[in-house]
Formats: sequence, structure tokens, C-alpha cells
Amino acid sequence: AQTVTQSQPEMSVQEAETVTLSCTYDTSESNYYLFWYKQPPSRQMILVIRQEAYKQQNATENRFSVNFQKAAKSFSLKISDSQLGDTAMYFCASLIQGAQKLVFGQGTRLTINP
Amino acid sequence: GAVVSQHPSRVICKSGTSVKIECRSLDFQATTMFWYRQFPKKSLMLMATSNEGSKATYEQGVEKDKFLINHASLTLSTLTVTSAHPEDSSFYICSASSTALAYNEQFFGPGTRLTVL
Repeated sequence: AQTVTQSQPEMSVQEAETVTLSCTYDTSESNYYLFWYKQPPSRQMILVIRQEAYKQQNATENRFSVNFQKAAKSFSLKISDSQLGDTAMYFCASLIQGAQKLVFGQGTRLTINP
Repeated sequence: GAVVSQHPSRVICKSGTSVKIECRSLDFQATTMFWYRQFPKKSLMLMATSNEGSKATYEQGVEKDKFLINHASLTLSTLTVTSAHPEDSSFYICSASSTALAYNEQFFGPGTRLTVL
């Protein structure tokens, strides 16, 4: 069975700092996708970044980048130059290729302080 | 990204009544829709997966007679909470996906807050 674990329930940093959110996962499959979702106070789920497991290169989207360590089954999210609007719950999720169900981690509540 | 809407955004009902929540994919045909429940400060809990034209597949522990799911078209799925009780109060989120989309990506609706008095 797939599992996704986020070991940091809450984090808080100052505006403009860099913050890294941790995520580990477990799967016996070789082809899968990993995602980071953001859920701001509006509670709308927003896709931040995705990573295909077969790609060695870490995905990057503007200020957001991942550190994908396949052997260690680790998928951390780095937010550079953090902004007040980054304040949200962040969920790590995995999806087996060809399957339908996303498996979510417990979430990390990130607060960016002015 | 694709747009998914939910209606209503908030609903308050009396105990014992039924409530219907609609989920619509506005700009793509959703072959699969998902219904999640989210408790405060918790992660999303998948309730059921619904493929268009088929019966929904419910996750373990979810009462299918209480949470009726219909996915009659490629753009609409409904969740009906029957004989609602205060413990059904929660935030319900739908998502939609299509086999035509890359990564089987799910697009999420804005959620519905249900309060049962």
C-alpha cells in the first residue's frame, strides 16, 4: 500500500526566507507521480508542483522547487523568497501511474510572518 | 488549469434532512470524479471514486447508503448526504480527472461546508 508522511505539522518563517517542507513516501511501484498541493485559507486546493518518478531532474516552478531522492523515497519542497501569500496548508501526494487515487500526507501548516 | 465548481459553497440543514452537493467540470469532460471529506486542520480523506456511467467505488468505512454519489454525465457528479446528522458536518471537496489529461491530474473544486444542526 502507498503511504505518504509529512512529519512537520507546523512551520513558521519570516518573509523572504527560504523554507523546506519534508515528505517521505512508500510504494512498491516503479512508475508514479509526486505532487505538492497548497491549500490557502480559502481552502481551494492548488497544485504547486509535480514530479515524475522516472525523471532524475528535480522539478522547478518559479520560487518552488523539489528535492526528489528516489532511493530514499523523499520528496521535499523548497520555497525560496517566501511571501505572505505562501501561508497555507501544504500537502504532499503520490499517484501510481495508471491508477486513479491520490494518496495524501497529513499536511504541513506553513505560516509566513511579516 | 481546468476549472471545477461546487455548489453550494455553504449549506446549513436540520438533522434528518438530506443535502445534495453538485460538482461540475466546466471546461473538460471528467471521466472520473472524486469526493473527499476534510476535517479541520486535517488532510483530505477520500470517500469515493466515481466513473461516469458506473456505480461509485466507496472507500472502506464510508456508508454508501448515507453518501449517495451519482455521476450521470461527463461534467456533473452529485453527492447526497441522506438523513444528515451533526457528525456529518464537515468540509466536502470534489475533484475531477480525465484520461485525456496528463498524469491523470485531478482538479479540485472549492469545497462545500456542510453544517448539520
